[in-house]
Amino acid sequence: DAKTTQPPSMDCAEGRAANLPCNHSTISGNEYVYWYRQIHSQGPQYIIHGLKNNETNEMASLIITEDRKSSTLILPHATLRDTAVYYCMDTGRRALTFGSGTRLQVQP
Amino acid sequence: GAVVSQHPSRVICKSGTSVKIECRSLDFQATTMFWYRQFPKQSLMLMATSNEGSKATYEQGVEKDKFLINHASLTLSTLTVTSAHPEDSSFYICSAFDRGTEETQYFGPGTRLLVL
Repeated sequence: DAKTTQPPSMDCAEGRAANLPCNHSTISGNEYVYWYRQIHSQGPQYIIHGLKNNETNEMASLIITEDRKSSTLILPHATLRDTAVYYCMDTGRRALTFGSGTRLQVQP
Repeated sequence: GAVVSQHPSRVICKSGTSVKIECRSLDFQATTMFWYRQFPKQSLMLMATSNEGSKATYEQGVEKDKFLINHASLTLSTLTVTSAHPEDSSFYICSAFDRGTEETQYFGPGTRLLVL
């Protein structure tokens, strides 16, 4: 079973920031937080990962709480192409365990 | 990011035949690759871990004699579905660890298998 919990679905207006939360209360000290997304009928796409510091790349920002029990993925300006299922996972160097994810629907 | 390819992207076969799916890391070496499958409206489920030069490790409930995995080189792993049946119809996805960083897995685009 997945060790993370995410809301099943969220809506976001196009052009606005999308903030996707994730709880990972049982994360170990050496486990990273990874975010992937899956657009319909495609393989998962890597977005970002972090250990304890906040991270930013060209796709998104990752905010990790100080106790590392939760994190938020931020898409700063959501577009229709960002509509997908977003998965948050905590893992070391092993296979990823996918939960149900959050289905983000970006509305025009 | 690193690129992983799969071939074929889609295959239709008759019940009882075998189907081979290839997974390649195009611009990096991968000592470890993973095979997942995804049924409609469900999440990805890990089937097996493929290690270069050694036997694959299968998850509980996945028959190793039915899903043959070969990881002959640092850039290629193959999954063969032997004697396929309609219940094997699914979306098969591979992923690979970039050997250089071993921090991030990159996924292939998936192979949709339909067994008639």
